[in-house]
Amino acid sequence: NAGVTQTPKFQVLKTGQSMTLQCAQDMNHNSMYWYRQDPGMGLRLIYYSASEGTTDKGEVPNGYNVSRLNKREFSLRLESAAPSQTSVYFCASRGGLFYSNQPQHFGDGTRLSIL
Amino acid sequence: DAKTTQPPSMDCAEGRAANLPCNHSTISGNEYVYWYRQIHSQGPQYIIHGLKNNETNEMASLIITEDRKSSTLILPHATLRDTAVYYCIVRVASSTGTYKYIFGTGTRLKVLA
Repeated sequence: NAGVTQTPKFQVLKTGQSMTLQCAQDMNHNSMYWYRQDPGMGLRLIYYSASEGTTDKGEVPNGYNVSRLNKREFSLRLESAAPSQTSVYFCASRGGLFYSNQPQHFGDGTRLSIL
Repeated sequence: DAKTTQPPSMDCAEGRAANLPCNHSTISGNEYVYWYRQIHSQGPQYIIHGLKNNETNEMASLIITEDRKSSTLILPHATLRDTAVYYCIVRVASSTGTYKYIFGTGTRLKVLA
């Protein structure tokens, strides 16, 4: 089982470029999440998807868009990258129905630098 | 939103028990406490979670006080590989049918040889 797979692992962009971070899970989970982690800080929620076809804003959604392509895949798009978006991005998924207490499972992250 | 407070750092001798405290004084009655750890810059690794009863699994034990305002994660025999940042998280219900995690800055545990 691969669990949660994120691609790419590393990326360098120039200011103003766009890019899409990919996330896929093979655990048949309903909920998926995107976080960012800045140096010395905990993770902050960008967007999440409670189920296929739904998405919602988290704590820091500005500058990002998401797509829940199907049950397996949840992508994060930066339309016009800014240096403030330099961070490590983590995707997570969670099984169970709505208010289940199942834990989230995280991918290994995408390290994004914007020059 | 319920929030957690953890000491920024702790040391533990190898082979001894590591006890990591967490305060969550504003927790609501149906909110679970989750513990994760992050080694270097890898993705957070799930350890354990609980509501009000003490819990134990192959990795750790979780002790939750009777008033649920604090908890302690116990690693019974710490090894050098347990050196990591440990996060205590209280999940928060969203309006759209799922839960969100609110991360703090965690406790940096260093296991000493």
